[in-house]
Amino acid sequence: GAGVSQSPSNKVTEKGKDVELRCDPISGHTALYWYRQSLGQGLEFLIYFQGNSAPDKSGLPSDRFSAERTGGSVSTLTIQRTQQEDSAVYLCASSTEGDSYEQYFGPGTRLTVT
Amino acid sequence: DAKTTQPPSMDCAEGRAANLPCNHSTISGNEYVYWYRQIHSQGPQYIIHGLKNNETNEMASLIITEDRKSSTLILPHATLRDTAVYYCIVRVYGGFKTIFGAGTRLFVKA
Repeated sequence: GAGVSQSPSNKVTEKGKDVELRCDPISGHTALYWYRQSLGQGLEFLIYFQGNSAPDKSGLPSDRFSAERTGGSVSTLTIQRTQQEDSAVYLCASSTEGDSYEQYFGPGTRLTVT
Repeated sequence: DAKTTQPPSMDCAEGRAANLPCNHSTISGNEYVYWYRQIHSQGPQYIIHGLKNNETNEMASLIITEDRKSSTLILPHATLRDTAVYYCIVRVYGGFKTIFGAGTRLFVKA
Protein backbone atom coordinates (compact mmCIF):
# COMPACT_ATOMS: atom_id res chain seq x y z
CA GLY A 1 0.00 0.00 0.00
CA ALA A 2 0.93 3.66 -0.19
CA GLY A 3 3.41 4.88 2.37
CA VAL A 4 3.97 8.34 3.83
CA SER A 5 4.59 10.89 1.13
CA GLN A 6 6.16 14.31 1.43
CA SER A 7 6.43 17.23 -0.94
CA PRO A 8 8.45 18.82 -2.25
CA SER A 9 11.39 16.45 -2.09
CA ASN A 10 13.78 19.38 -2.35
CA LYS A 11 13.24 23.06 -1.65
CA VAL A 12 15.72 25.88 -2.06
CA THR A 13 14.65 29.23 -0.70
CA GLU A 14 16.17 32.58 0.08
CA LYS A 15 16.73 33.72 3.63
CA GLY A 16 13.68 35.55 4.93
CA LYS A 17 11.15 33.76 2.72
CA ASP A 18 8.35 31.56 4.06
CA VAL A 19 8.13 27.88 3.11
CA GLU A 20 5.45 25.21 3.42
CA LEU A 21 6.24 21.52 3.60
CA ARG A 22 3.54 18.94 3.08
CA CYS A 23 3.02 15.47 4.51
CA ASP A 24 0.47 12.87 3.45
CA PRO A 25 0.31 10.15 6.10
CA ILE A 26 -0.73 6.56 5.61
CA SER A 27 -4.49 6.38 5.35
CA GLY A 28 -6.11 5.61 8.68
CA HIS A 29 -3.11 6.54 10.78
CA THR A 30 -4.20 8.71 13.67
CA ALA A 31 -0.81 10.05 14.72
CA LEU A 32 1.45 12.26 12.63
CA TYR A 33 4.95 13.49 13.56
CA TRP A 34 7.43 16.02 12.23
CA TYR A 35 11.18 15.75 12.78
CA ARG A 36 14.17 17.72 11.58
CA GLN A 37 17.55 16.23 10.73
CA SER A 38 20.53 18.45 10.13
CA LEU A 39 23.46 17.13 8.12
CA GLY A 40 25.17 14.29 9.96
CA GLN A 41 22.95 14.66 13.01
CA GLY A 42 20.21 12.59 14.61
CA LEU A 43 16.51 13.31 14.41
CA GLU A 44 15.11 16.28 16.30
CA PHE A 45 11.47 15.98 17.36
CA LEU A 46 9.38 18.97 16.35
CA ILE A 47 5.68 18.24 16.82
CA TYR A 48 3.11 15.48 16.81
CA PHE A 49 -0.63 15.29 16.21
CA GLN A 50 -2.81 12.53 17.64
CA GLY A 51 -6.44 12.29 16.62
CA ASN A 52 -8.45 15.26 17.85
CA SER A 53 -6.13 15.99 20.77
CA ALA A 54 -4.15 19.21 20.98
CA PRO A 55 -0.82 18.75 19.23
CA ASP A 56 2.39 18.46 21.23
CA LYS A 57 4.41 21.44 19.97
CA SER A 58 7.14 21.17 22.55
CA GLY A 59 9.86 20.51 19.98
CA LEU A 60 9.27 23.50 17.74
CA PRO A 61 12.50 25.56 17.90
CA SER A 62 10.92 29.00 17.57
CA ASP A 63 7.66 30.79 16.86
CA ARG A 64 8.67 30.94 13.20
CA PHE A 65 7.70 27.27 13.01
CA SER A 66 4.08 26.15 12.94
CA ALA A 67 2.18 23.11 11.76
CA GLU A 68 -1.38 22.15 11.15
CA ARG A 69 -3.20 18.99 10.30
CA THR A 70 -6.42 19.36 8.40
CA GLY A 71 -9.20 16.82 8.64
CA GLY A 72 -7.01 14.44 10.56
CA SER A 73 -5.00 13.65 7.47
CA VAL A 74 -2.63 15.93 5.54
CA SER A 75 -0.24 18.10 7.53
CA THR A 76 1.64 21.24 6.59
CA LEU A 77 4.76 22.48 8.36
CA THR A 78 5.31 26.19 7.82
CA ILE A 79 8.55 28.02 8.46
CA GLN A 80 8.32 31.79 8.36
CA ARG A 81 11.22 34.15 7.66
CA THR A 82 13.58 31.25 7.01
CA GLN A 83 17.14 31.39 8.33
CA GLN A 84 20.19 29.51 7.11
CA GLU A 85 20.17 27.36 10.25
CA ASP A 86 16.77 26.04 9.16
CA SER A 87 18.51 24.11 6.38
CA ALA A 88 17.91 20.43 7.08
CA VAL A 89 15.90 17.41 6.02
CA TYR A 90 12.38 17.58 7.41
CA LEU A 91 10.91 14.13 8.02
CA CYS A 92 7.29 13.24 8.56
CA ALA A 93 6.05 10.00 10.08
CA SER A 94 2.69 8.50 10.91
CA SER A 95 1.51 5.71 13.14
CA THR A 96 -1.64 3.99 14.19
CA GLU A 97 -2.75 3.01 17.65
CA GLY A 98 -2.31 -0.48 18.90
CA ASP A 99 0.35 -3.07 18.13
CA SER A 100 3.79 -1.61 18.23
CA TYR A 101 2.95 2.05 17.64
CA GLU A 102 5.76 1.89 15.13
CA GLN A 103 6.26 4.99 13.10
CA TYR A 104 6.38 4.90 9.31
CA PHE A 105 8.57 7.60 7.87
CA GLY A 106 8.35 9.49 4.61
CA PRO A 107 11.36 10.22 2.38
CA GLY A 108 11.76 13.72 3.75
CA THR A 109 12.02 17.22 2.30
CA ARG A 110 15.51 18.63 1.96
CA LEU A 111 15.33 22.37 2.69
CA THR A 112 18.20 24.62 1.75
CA VAL A 113 18.12 28.26 2.79
CA THR A 114 20.55 30.44 0.85
CA ASP B 1 11.39 9.91 28.15
CA ALA B 2 14.56 8.26 29.34
CA LYS B 3 17.80 9.03 27.55
CA THR B 4 19.88 6.37 25.86
CA THR B 5 23.59 6.03 25.28
CA GLN B 6 25.02 4.26 22.25
CA PRO B 7 28.53 3.99 20.81
CA PRO B 8 28.93 6.39 17.89
CA SER B 9 30.14 3.76 15.45
CA MET B 10 30.84 0.05 15.03
CA ASP B 11 32.25 -2.23 12.35
CA CYS B 12 31.07 -5.71 11.48
CA ALA B 13 32.23 -8.27 8.93
CA GLU B 14 29.67 -9.38 6.39
CA GLY B 15 28.00 -12.64 7.43
CA ARG B 16 28.87 -12.19 11.08
CA ALA B 17 26.49 -11.18 13.86
CA ALA B 18 26.31 -7.48 14.63
CA ASN B 19 25.69 -6.74 18.30
CA LEU B 20 24.68 -3.14 18.97
CA PRO B 21 24.55 -2.09 22.63
CA CYS B 22 22.37 0.55 24.24
CA ASN B 23 22.42 1.88 27.76
CA HIS B 24 19.17 3.16 29.24
CA SER B 25 19.92 3.14 32.95
CA THR B 26 17.10 5.58 33.86
CA ILE B 27 14.35 3.67 32.09
CA SER B 28 11.00 3.64 33.87
CA GLY B 29 8.85 0.59 34.46
CA ASN B 30 6.31 1.57 31.82
CA GLU B 31 8.84 2.42 29.13
CA TYR B 32 9.62 0.16 26.21
CA VAL B 33 12.84 -0.12 24.23
CA TYR B 34 12.49 0.54 20.51
CA TRP B 35 15.06 0.21 17.75
CA TYR B 36 14.98 1.98 14.40
CA ARG B 37 17.57 2.22 11.67
CA GLN B 38 18.22 4.81 9.00
CA ILE B 39 19.90 3.87 5.78
CA HIS B 40 21.63 6.74 4.01
CA SER B 41 19.23 9.27 2.50
CA GLN B 42 16.14 7.41 3.67
CA GLY B 43 13.70 7.90 6.53
CA PRO B 44 14.14 5.73 9.63
CA GLN B 45 12.69 2.22 9.63
CA TYR B 46 11.25 0.40 12.63
CA ILE B 47 13.11 -2.78 13.58
CA ILE B 48 11.84 -4.17 16.87
CA HIS B 49 10.68 -3.26 20.36
CA GLY B 50 10.40 -4.92 23.77
CA LEU B 51 9.63 -4.38 27.44
CA LYS B 52 11.56 -6.95 29.44
CA ASN B 53 11.50 -10.22 27.56
CA ASN B 54 13.82 -10.97 24.69
CA GLU B 55 12.19 -10.47 21.32
CA THR B 56 12.91 -11.80 17.84
CA ASN B 57 11.47 -11.02 14.45
CA GLU B 58 12.53 -11.50 10.86
CA MET B 59 14.95 -8.59 11.05
CA ALA B 60 16.67 -8.88 14.40
CA SER B 61 16.71 -10.03 18.01
CA LEU B 62 16.48 -7.78 21.05
CA ILE B 63 18.10 -8.81 24.30
CA ILE B 64 17.13 -6.78 27.37
CA THR B 65 19.01 -7.26 30.64
CA GLU B 66 17.06 -8.37 33.67
CA ASP B 67 17.40 -4.96 35.33
CA ARG B 68 16.34 -3.35 32.01
CA LYS B 69 19.16 -0.85 32.20
CA SER B 70 20.67 -1.94 28.92
CA SER B 71 19.84 -3.85 25.78
CA THR B 72 21.51 -5.30 22.70
CA LEU B 73 20.18 -5.41 19.17
CA ILE B 74 21.47 -8.42 17.28
CA LEU B 75 21.56 -8.72 13.50
CA PRO B 76 22.40 -12.42 13.19
CA HIS B 77 24.01 -12.39 9.75
CA ALA B 78 24.91 -8.86 8.77
CA THR B 79 24.91 -7.93 5.10
CA LEU B 80 26.27 -4.88 3.33
CA ARG B 81 22.71 -3.55 3.16
CA ASP B 82 22.62 -3.41 6.95
CA THR B 83 25.07 -0.50 6.90
CA ALA B 84 23.05 2.25 8.56
CA VAL B 85 22.59 4.36 11.67
CA TYR B 86 20.81 2.42 14.39
CA TYR B 87 18.76 4.31 16.96
CA CYS B 88 17.82 2.97 20.38
CA ILE B 89 14.84 4.77 21.92
CA VAL B 90 12.88 4.35 25.12
CA ARG B 91 9.35 5.64 25.45
CA VAL B 92 6.08 4.87 27.11
CA TYR B 93 4.11 2.29 25.16
CA GLY B 94 1.40 4.15 23.35
CA GLY B 95 3.18 7.41 23.94
CA PHE B 96 3.82 9.56 20.96
CA LYS B 97 6.63 11.98 21.65
CA THR B 98 9.76 10.18 20.50
CA ILE B 99 13.25 11.42 21.22
CA PHE B 100 15.96 10.03 18.96
CA GLY B 101 19.58 10.17 20.09
CA ALA B 102 22.63 10.23 17.86
CA GLY B 103 22.52 6.48 17.22
CA THR B 104 25.27 4.04 16.26
CA ARG B 105 26.66 4.13 12.75
CA LEU B 106 27.18 0.48 11.77
CA PHE B 107 29.58 -0.26 8.92
CA VAL B 108 29.28 -3.77 7.49
CA LYS B 109 32.42 -4.64 5.55
CA ALA B 110 32.95 -7.33 2.93
